[in-house]
Amino acid sequence: EPEVTQTPSHQVTQMGQEVILRCVPISNHLYFYWYRQILGQKVEFLVSFYNNEISEKSEIFDDQFSVERPDGSNFTLKIRSTKLEDSAMYFCASRYRGAYRDTPFNEQFFGPGTRLTVL
Amino acid sequence: DAKTTQPNSMESNEEEPVHLPCNHSTISGTDYIHWYRQLPSQGPEYVIHGLTSNVNNRMASLAIAEDRKSSTLILHRATLRDAAVYYCILYNQGGKLIFGQGTELSVKP
Repeated sequence: EPEVTQTPSHQVTQMGQEVILRCVPISNHLYFYWYRQILGQKVEFLVSFYNNEISEKSEIFDDQFSVERPDGSNFTLKIRSTKLEDSAMYFCASRYRGAYRDTPFNEQFFGPGTRLTVL
Repeated sequence: DAKTTQPNSMESNEEEPVHLPCNHSTISGTDYIHWYRQLPSQGPEYVIHGLTSNVNNRMASLAIAEDRKSSTLILHRATLRDAAVYYCILYNQGGKLIFGQGTELSVKP
């Protein structure tokens, strides 16, 4: 069964450093997302991406964050200058279709996550 | 964003049915009711979704109240592997998922 993959599984970095989290969505999916989950807290939406541009972003997704789909398979989240409070689990997700409600394809498929630890 | 209310936690015995409730009194006519779950140390996983009618799939059943202001996720025979946080989410026209705190289900052998 196809799945979303993420690398690395765990990233440790120093405050102020740049990190890039990588995701390979399911190959025929068109919509891509990043979420994060701080330890013990709920999953929070960061950004959605479609047709090579951001379609929606949350207040968390400030100028320090960027996303890119550099080729036909990868989807990346970059944090330019990490802060202690960026420590969290970051999940990538992808979805097959647009808002066609009567299909099962509205479900989002999540990757296993990257645990980011900022020291 | 439309809000859902779920109990913080529930317990079940293995191989017994589990009914996980969700209230969504402010649901709009275009909102779908989606359920996801998050197993320990994993990403969220889609379980089931519905609009008005009850739905069944290989994982669970979803019972939706006639007024759509509440729904119940039914696991017919809980296994230890079903121990997870279950999220009830109102979903409209694609886009982001808004997760609440969910219901933490523990399953006793």
